[in-house]
Amino acid sequence: RKEVEQDPGPFNVPEGATVAFNCTYSNSASQSFFWYRQDCRKEPKLLMSVYSSGNEDGRFTAQLNRASQYISLLIRDSKLSDSATYLCVVIFNNAGNMLTFGGGTRLMVKP
Amino acid sequence: GAGVSQSPRYKVAKRGQDVALRCDPISGHVSLFWYQQALGQGPEFLTYFQNEAQLDKSGLPSDRFFAERPEGSVSTLKIQRTQQEDSAVYLCASSLVGRGYSSYNEQFFGPGTRLTVL
Repeated sequence: RKEVEQDPGPFNVPEGATVAFNCTYSNSASQSFFWYRQDCRKEPKLLMSVYSSGNEDGRFTAQLNRASQYISLLIRDSKLSDSATYLCVVIFNNAGNMLTFGGGTRLMVKP
Repeated sequence: GAGVSQSPRYKVAKRGQDVALRCDPISGHVSLFWYQQALGQGPEFLTYFQNEAQLDKSGLPSDRFFAERPEGSVSTLKIQRTQQEDSAVYLCASSLVGRGYSSYNEQFFGPGTRLTVL
């Protein structure tokens, strides 16, 4: 079983839709949580950090549930430019700053 | 300013050939990471340097993989006797500070080297 798991998708949604991704992690001793975005044939880029209290950045909302060991990302009012792979990332305790990635969830927003 | 750069961007190797992949981190960044990303998968950690010291090489898949960062800046990932299963994108990332900081220090990724072993 992978340490960080995501539904690979693809999620095909129309413009303007709201879409949510979940991610589960296996190690309760986890320190930090993030969502990264990766465009096709490009490098991953940090989208946002995830905090227990939940955090919002424009159309994007991230939430962490430590008790259930899952992380979510909600995208409202989807744009064509949101089409990408979204990577759930965890830093486990005592792992320094080593990032553990999920397999990614692919989102395709259609006109 | 300049980001992380990697070269070559693409490499095709015959099985059994040795390859060397280069990473130029952001100037002044202490930490440097190598990740391997297979097709359709998320990146997986290979190794970590803090300045010139290789502090973690637990992700290197075999002793055919070797990494160095002799002067604490540029790093090279070498793969000896390449096999087809080594085909992947090799990503390098750097961050400003080293371990021991309580808050996350963002890792900036390079564009990767796409290695294809025939």
